[in-house]
Amino acid sequence: GQNIDQPTEMTATEGAIVQINCTYQTSGFNGLFWYQQHAGEAPTFLSYNVLDGLEEKGRFSSFLSRSKGYSYLLLKELQMKDSASYLCAVRAVNSGYSTLTFGKGTMLLVSP
Amino acid sequence: DVKVTQSSRYLVKRTGEKVFLECVQDMDHENMFWYRQDPGLGLRLIYFSYDVKMKEKGDIPEGYSVSREKKERFSLILESASTNQTSMYLCASSRQVGVYSNQPQHFGDGTRLSIL
Repeated sequence: GQNIDQPTEMTATEGAIVQINCTYQTSGFNGLFWYQQHAGEAPTFLSYNVLDGLEEKGRFSSFLSRSKGYSYLLLKELQMKDSASYLCAVRAVNSGYSTLTFGKGTMLLVSP
Repeated sequence: DVKVTQSSRYLVKRTGEKVFLECVQDMDHENMFWYRQDPGLGLRLIYFSYDVKMKEKGDIPEGYSVSREKKERFSLILESASTNQTSMYLCASSRQVGVYSNQPQHFGDGTRLSIL
Protein backbone atom coordinates (compact mmCIF):
# COMPACT_ATOMS: atom_id res chain seq x y z
CA GLY A 1 0.00 0.00 0.00
CA GLN A 2 0.88 3.65 -0.12
CA ASN A 3 1.22 6.16 2.70
CA ILE A 4 1.59 9.87 1.99
CA ASP A 5 1.88 12.55 4.65
CA GLN A 6 1.77 16.30 4.31
CA PRO A 7 0.82 19.05 6.77
CA THR A 8 -2.86 19.90 6.97
CA GLU A 9 -2.52 23.67 7.02
CA MET A 10 0.12 26.36 6.62
CA THR A 11 0.02 30.14 6.73
CA ALA A 12 2.40 32.63 5.18
CA THR A 13 2.64 36.30 4.29
CA GLU A 14 2.46 37.86 0.84
CA GLY A 15 5.95 38.14 -0.68
CA ALA A 16 7.42 35.44 1.56
CA ILE A 17 8.70 31.93 0.75
CA VAL A 18 6.95 28.79 1.94
CA GLN A 19 7.98 25.14 1.79
CA ILE A 20 5.36 22.38 1.83
CA ASN A 21 6.75 18.97 2.72
CA CYS A 22 5.54 15.55 1.65
CA THR A 23 6.79 12.18 2.85
CA TYR A 24 5.76 8.90 1.33
CA GLN A 25 6.13 5.16 1.60
CA THR A 26 5.41 3.15 -1.51
CA SER A 27 6.47 0.26 -3.69
CA GLY A 28 6.86 0.57 -7.45
CA PHE A 29 7.57 4.31 -7.28
CA ASN A 30 7.82 6.05 -10.65
CA GLY A 31 7.22 9.70 -10.05
CA LEU A 32 5.84 12.38 -7.74
CA PHE A 33 3.44 15.13 -8.77
CA TRP A 34 2.31 18.34 -7.12
CA TYR A 35 -1.11 19.78 -7.86
CA GLN A 36 -2.78 23.04 -6.84
CA GLN A 37 -6.48 23.13 -6.07
CA HIS A 38 -8.43 26.32 -5.40
CA ALA A 39 -11.67 25.95 -3.46
CA GLY A 40 -14.45 24.60 -5.67
CA GLU A 41 -12.14 24.04 -8.62
CA ALA A 42 -10.31 21.16 -10.29
CA PRO A 43 -6.76 20.27 -9.27
CA THR A 44 -4.22 21.66 -11.73
CA PHE A 45 -0.78 20.23 -12.41
CA LEU A 46 2.19 22.13 -10.98
CA SER A 47 5.28 19.92 -11.13
CA TYR A 48 6.73 16.46 -11.59
CA ASN A 49 9.83 14.78 -10.17
CA VAL A 50 11.11 11.29 -10.87
CA LEU A 51 14.85 11.75 -10.32
CA ASP A 52 16.48 13.14 -7.19
CA GLY A 53 16.99 16.87 -7.17
CA LEU A 54 15.29 20.17 -7.74
CA GLU A 55 12.96 21.10 -10.58
CA GLU A 56 12.33 24.81 -10.99
CA LYS A 57 9.39 26.35 -12.79
CA GLY A 58 9.06 30.08 -12.28
CA ARG A 59 8.07 30.90 -8.70
CA PHE A 60 7.52 27.22 -7.93
CA SER A 61 10.19 24.57 -7.35
CA SER A 62 9.88 20.95 -6.34
CA PHE A 63 12.49 18.68 -4.78
CA LEU A 64 12.69 14.90 -4.52
CA SER A 65 14.81 12.49 -2.50
CA ARG A 66 13.84 8.93 -3.39
CA SER A 67 16.06 7.34 -0.77
CA LYS A 68 14.34 9.37 1.96
CA GLY A 69 10.84 9.15 0.51
CA TYR A 70 10.65 12.93 0.70
CA SER A 71 9.59 15.81 -1.49
CA TYR A 72 8.88 19.47 -0.99
CA LEU A 73 7.18 22.21 -2.97
CA LEU A 74 8.76 25.65 -2.63
CA LEU A 75 6.72 28.72 -3.42
CA LYS A 76 8.57 32.03 -3.71
CA GLU A 77 7.30 35.61 -3.78
CA LEU A 78 3.95 34.50 -2.46
CA GLN A 79 0.84 36.15 -3.86
CA MET A 80 -2.69 36.21 -2.49
CA LYS A 81 -3.81 34.00 -5.38
CA ASP A 82 -1.50 31.26 -4.08
CA SER A 83 -3.99 30.60 -1.28
CA ALA A 84 -5.12 27.09 -2.19
CA SER A 85 -4.76 23.44 -1.30
CA TYR A 86 -1.55 21.75 -2.50
CA LEU A 87 -1.73 18.04 -3.22
CA CYS A 88 1.24 15.69 -3.25
CA ALA A 89 0.63 12.60 -5.41
CA VAL A 90 2.84 9.55 -5.84
CA ARG A 91 2.70 7.50 -9.03
CA ALA A 92 3.43 3.82 -8.62
CA VAL A 93 3.21 0.72 -10.73
CA ASN A 94 1.21 -2.11 -9.22
CA SER A 95 -0.06 -5.19 -11.04
CA GLY A 96 1.20 -3.69 -14.29
CA TYR A 97 -0.81 -0.47 -13.96
CA SER A 98 0.40 3.00 -13.09
CA THR A 99 -1.86 4.99 -10.75
CA LEU A 100 -1.63 8.09 -8.56
CA THR A 101 -2.13 8.06 -4.80
CA PHE A 102 -2.81 11.49 -3.32
CA GLY A 103 -1.96 12.93 0.04
CA LYS A 104 -4.75 14.67 1.93
CA GLY A 105 -3.54 18.07 0.81
CA THR A 106 -2.04 21.11 2.54
CA MET A 107 -4.25 24.18 2.78
CA LEU A 108 -2.08 27.27 2.36
CA LEU A 109 -3.42 30.63 3.47
CA VAL A 110 -1.52 33.70 2.26
CA SER A 111 -2.23 36.86 4.21
CA PRO A 112 -1.42 40.49 3.31
CA ASP B 1 -5.66 22.90 -23.73
CA VAL B 2 -6.99 19.62 -22.42
CA LYS B 3 -10.67 19.75 -21.65
CA VAL B 4 -12.27 17.27 -19.28
CA THR B 5 -16.00 17.89 -18.98
CA GLN B 6 -18.25 16.44 -16.32
CA SER B 7 -21.93 16.48 -17.11
CA SER B 8 -23.16 18.11 -13.90
CA ARG B 9 -21.60 20.43 -11.29
CA TYR B 10 -24.29 19.65 -8.71
CA LEU B 11 -26.59 16.65 -8.43
CA VAL B 12 -29.13 15.61 -5.80
CA LYS B 13 -30.45 12.04 -5.76
CA ARG B 14 -32.36 9.80 -3.38
CA THR B 15 -31.19 6.71 -1.54
CA GLY B 16 -31.56 3.59 -3.69
CA GLU B 17 -31.53 5.41 -7.03
CA LYS B 18 -29.20 4.38 -9.82
CA VAL B 19 -26.96 7.36 -10.56
CA PHE B 20 -24.87 8.02 -13.65
CA LEU B 21 -21.97 10.50 -13.69
CA GLU B 22 -20.60 11.25 -17.13
CA CYS B 23 -17.14 12.43 -18.13
CA VAL B 24 -15.88 13.38 -21.58
CA GLN B 25 -12.35 14.38 -22.63
CA ASP B 26 -11.39 15.96 -25.94
CA MET B 27 -7.66 15.17 -26.16
CA ASP B 28 -7.79 11.54 -27.31
CA HIS B 29 -6.31 10.38 -24.00
CA GLU B 30 -6.08 6.65 -23.45
CA ASN B 31 -6.34 6.75 -19.65
CA MET B 32 -9.34 7.89 -17.64
CA PHE B 33 -9.96 7.88 -13.89
CA TRP B 34 -12.72 8.46 -11.37
CA TYR B 35 -11.96 9.80 -7.88
CA ARG B 36 -13.99 10.98 -4.94
CA GLN B 37 -12.78 13.79 -2.69
CA ASP B 38 -13.90 14.09 0.93
CA PRO B 39 -12.74 16.49 3.68
CA GLY B 40 -9.93 14.97 5.69
CA LEU B 41 -9.59 12.02 3.32
CA GLY B 42 -8.29 13.63 0.15
CA LEU B 43 -8.66 12.22 -3.35
CA ARG B 44 -9.30 8.47 -3.52
CA LEU B 45 -9.30 6.39 -6.70
CA ILE B 46 -12.54 4.52 -7.43
CA TYR B 47 -11.98 3.03 -10.89
CA PHE B 48 -9.75 3.61 -13.87
CA SER B 49 -9.55 2.59 -17.51
CA TYR B 50 -6.59 2.31 -19.87
CA ASP B 51 -8.54 1.48 -22.99
CA VAL B 52 -12.02 1.24 -24.43
CA LYS B 53 -14.10 -1.45 -22.72
CA MET B 54 -11.34 -1.96 -20.17
CA LYS B 55 -11.70 -1.17 -16.45
CA GLU B 56 -9.72 -1.73 -13.30
CA LYS B 57 -10.70 -1.30 -9.66
CA GLY B 58 -9.04 1.44 -7.68
CA ASP B 59 -8.81 1.72 -3.91
CA ILE B 60 -12.52 2.10 -3.12
CA PRO B 61 -14.64 0.41 -5.85
CA GLU B 62 -17.39 -0.95 -3.60
CA GLY B 63 -20.83 0.35 -4.56
CA TYR B 64 -19.63 1.67 -7.92
CA SER B 65 -19.22 0.43 -11.47
CA VAL B 66 -17.94 2.08 -14.65
CA SER B 67 -18.45 1.97 -18.38
CA ARG B 68 -16.12 2.93 -21.21
CA GLU B 69 -17.77 2.25 -24.54
CA LYS B 70 -15.94 5.05 -26.38
CA LYS B 71 -12.43 6.37 -25.91
CA GLU B 72 -13.54 9.88 -24.97
CA ARG B 73 -16.24 8.94 -22.46
CA PHE B 74 -15.98 7.33 -19.03
CA SER B 75 -19.09 6.87 -16.92
CA LEU B 76 -19.32 6.22 -13.19
CA ILE B 77 -22.41 4.36 -11.99
CA LEU B 78 -23.75 4.20 -8.46
CA GLU B 79 -25.83 1.03 -8.62
CA SER B 80 -27.98 1.86 -5.58
CA ALA B 81 -27.04 5.22 -4.11
CA SER B 82 -26.46 5.48 -0.37
CA THR B 83 -25.93 8.50 1.86
CA ASN B 84 -22.26 7.61 2.40
CA GLN B 85 -21.72 8.22 -1.30
CA THR B 86 -22.41 11.92 -0.86
CA SER B 87 -19.16 13.45 -2.06
CA MET B 88 -17.31 15.46 -4.70
CA TYR B 89 -16.56 13.24 -7.70
CA LEU B 90 -13.66 14.12 -9.98
CA CYS B 91 -12.88 12.65 -13.38
CA ALA B 92 -9.38 12.80 -14.86
CA SER B 93 -7.64 11.76 -18.05
CA SER B 94 -4.04 11.35 -19.19
CA ARG B 95 -1.99 10.23 -22.14
CA GLN B 96 -0.69 6.67 -22.21
CA VAL B 97 2.87 7.05 -21.00
CA GLY B 98 6.19 5.34 -20.68
CA VAL B 99 7.28 4.42 -17.21
CA TYR B 100 8.99 7.73 -16.41
CA SER B 101 6.90 10.10 -18.47
CA ASN B 102 5.89 13.42 -16.95
CA GLN B 103 2.43 13.36 -18.47
CA PRO B 104 0.06 14.49 -15.70
CA GLN B 105 -3.57 13.69 -15.14
CA HIS B 106 -5.97 16.48 -16.16
CA PHE B 107 -9.07 16.92 -14.06
CA GLY B 108 -12.64 17.97 -14.69
CA ASP B 109 -14.35 20.56 -12.48
CA GLY B 110 -16.08 17.89 -10.41
CA THR B 111 -19.64 16.88 -9.60
CA ARG B 112 -20.88 17.56 -6.10
CA LEU B 113 -23.31 14.71 -5.47
CA SER B 114 -25.75 14.70 -2.55
CA ILE B 115 -27.67 11.55 -1.69
CA LEU B 116 -30.73 12.21 0.47
